[in-house]
Amino acid sequence: DQQVKQNSPSLSVQEGRISILNCDYTNSMFDYFLWYKKYPAEGPTFLISISSIKDKNEDGRFTVFLNKSAKHLSLHIVPSQPGDSAVYFCAAFVSGTYKYIFGTGTRLKVLA
Amino acid sequence: DVKVTQSSRYLVKRTGEKVFLECVQDMDHENMFWYRQDPGLGLRLIYFSYDVKMKEKGDIPEGYSVSREKKERFSLILESASTNQTSMYLCASRRNGETQYFGPGTRLLVL
Repeated sequence: DQQVKQNSPSLSVQEGRISILNCDYTNSMFDYFLWYKKYPAEGPTFLISISSIKDKNEDGRFTVFLNKSAKHLSLHIVPSQPGDSAVYFCAAFVSGTYKYIFGTGTRLKVLA
Repeated sequence: DVKVTQSSRYLVKRTGEKVFLECVQDMDHENMFWYRQDPGLGLRLIYFSYDVKMKEKGDIPEGYSVSREKKERFSLILESASTNQTSMYLCASRRNGETQYFGPGTRLLVL
């Protein structure tokens, strides 16, 4: 039972355009969400997070949107750069617990 | 800056060998985690430890064990390596209630 889903395994975007990566979840107990970026042969690096009390969080070119009623979050990257090409994982957890539940990842390719 | 290090970046082992993967963090984090990453399956939790000498099974603990004798070090042990344990192994740590930070990963090939 996949509690966190990333339905697009890959995405290609032109440099300078917006990249939108999507994530759906099924467990309404999740109250904290994160995005990680992973380059090949490296560990994931933390990008941005959002608590369920917010619907938007911004950090530079990265913005995460949370739609609790739809159980959906998205990561927007504007403008996209070739260095953003990586696999992006969303993760969710319930505050006070230890386990993050990760999605299966979306491979983003930004074309120069 | 959080630093999580893993003992090897690449490892090749034979079926049946006992394999030790070591993870060290230098930020005095209470919680440590071992994941494996496989294509199309994302990151799956093998074991975690919420404090020294404490351990809990994750979603796929079969064939693995762990040890946490010191706060900074969390070891993953493959008792008898099998080819289906060929994977990328990722260690993470965090302070209670905060974000997880990952090490660089160990790519293990079991022949």
